[in-house]
Amino acid sequence: RKEVEQDPGPFNVPEGATVAFNCTYSNSASQSFFWYRQDCRKEPKLLMSVYSSGNEDGRFTAQLNRASQYISLLIRDSKLSDSATYLCVVYTGGFKTIFGAGTRLFVKA
Amino acid sequence: NAGVTQTPKFRILKIGQSMTLQCTQDMNHNYMYWYRQDPGMGLKLIYYSVGAGITDKGEVPNGYNVSRSTTEDFPLRLELAAPSQTSVYFCASSPPGQGFHSNQPQHFGDGTRLSIL
Repeated sequence: RKEVEQDPGPFNVPEGATVAFNCTYSNSASQSFFWYRQDCRKEPKLLMSVYSSGNEDGRFTAQLNRASQYISLLIRDSKLSDSATYLCVVYTGGFKTIFGAGTRLFVKA
Repeated sequence: NAGVTQTPKFRILKIGQSMTLQCTQDMNHNYMYWYRQDPGMGLKLIYYSVGAGITDKGEVPNGYNVSRSTTEDFPLRLELAAPSQTSVYFCASSPPGQGFHSNQPQHFGDGTRLSIL
């Protein structure tokens, strides 16, 4: 089993749609969680950290479920500019940060 | 506001050649990292450094070497290039986390695309 697993997609959604991604992790001792965004052939950029209580940043909402060992990302009112690959990132301790392979999102007009 | 700067952006090497990928950051971050990203895969940690003079192996260090003589610079050396090292290489940096941990978000350079033929 991979340490961090994501549905690779692609998710094809129309503008204005709501879309959600999940990411599961295997190490129950994982400490910190992040969502990064990666545009085609570009570097990953931090989208948001994921807190135990859940957190929201504009159209983006992140949730953590420690009991089931997954994190989620919800995007409301999708924009064309949201088209990208979304990376689930899990910090497990020391210097071990695990990057998921990513979920591809295409938002179409 | 440069952040993390990587050079070169693209390079083609022949098997057996050597090269150094440069990385510099201007955010005064203690921690720096080198990753490789193969198509459809997550980033794999090659080496990391917690400060000048201190480096350690990550998940996939074979075939690579690093040095950290200053806080700003963290070059990655390929000694004998092999086709399996064809990849996109990202350098990243972060401030230290709680205690001796790297649980802070990382800032990435825009990558070096390396092909070995």
